[in-house]
Amino acid sequence: SQKIEQNSEALNIQEGKTATLTCNYTNYSPAYLQWYRQDPGRGPVFLLLIRENEKEKRKERLKVTFDTTLKQSLFHITASQPADSATYLCALAPNTDKLIFGTGTRLQVFP
Amino acid sequence: DVKVTQSSRYLVKRTGEKVFLECVQDMDHENMFWYRQDPGLGLRLIYFSYDVKMKEKGDIPEGYSVSREKKERFSLILESASTNQTSMYLCASSFGRGRAEAFFGQGTRLTVV
Repeated sequence: SQKIEQNSEALNIQEGKTATLTCNYTNYSPAYLQWYRQDPGRGPVFLLLIRENEKEKRKERLKVTFDTTLKQSLFHITASQPADSATYLCALAPNTDKLIFGTGTRLQVFP
Repeated sequence: DVKVTQSSRYLVKRTGEKVFLECVQDMDHENMFWYRQDPGLGLRLIYFSYDVKMKEKGDIPEGYSVSREKKERFSLILESASTNQTSMYLCASSFGRGRAEAFFGQGTRLTVV
């Protein structure tokens, strides 16, 4: 079956460290993969999109990698801050634009 | 700014009622989505629409139907609400044609009693 897996356990890290979140998928061959941030009680907000022919993408303190051989994307937040605490979701469109999400990983950055 | 507006923030309905959740987007997006979000299960796609009157089933369409008569509006219908449909419902839209980022509404927390 097709699956998108993210670590369901919360990730707790200290302020200033790099947070790394993982997204693994099976039985898909997506043309791109996306990452979103969701705060409690709110809808997800788009952060980054990486295409299958891109190995890495950066936006300010965020970095995403995409390995289509391993079927994995890594999402990094460098110099993390307490304001980065949120749930982070990966998403992909297996075909057309129908967007499927992983379960999300909750990140907690403590001072 | 893109705006996706859901008609209600909170809704309480009785078992067996017909429930309409409305979603409107103001950016002429081709695609619209309905998801439900439950603890531990993430966002699950109920239905996807890629054009007016066009729809595709998502992963959990049972017990739901949708309507898209106008490009900007996408309605989710619970024909006969049941308690297991108590959830957070999120609507989203995207431009499509390679511009894939989705914009979400604020969500509707539906409680079926």
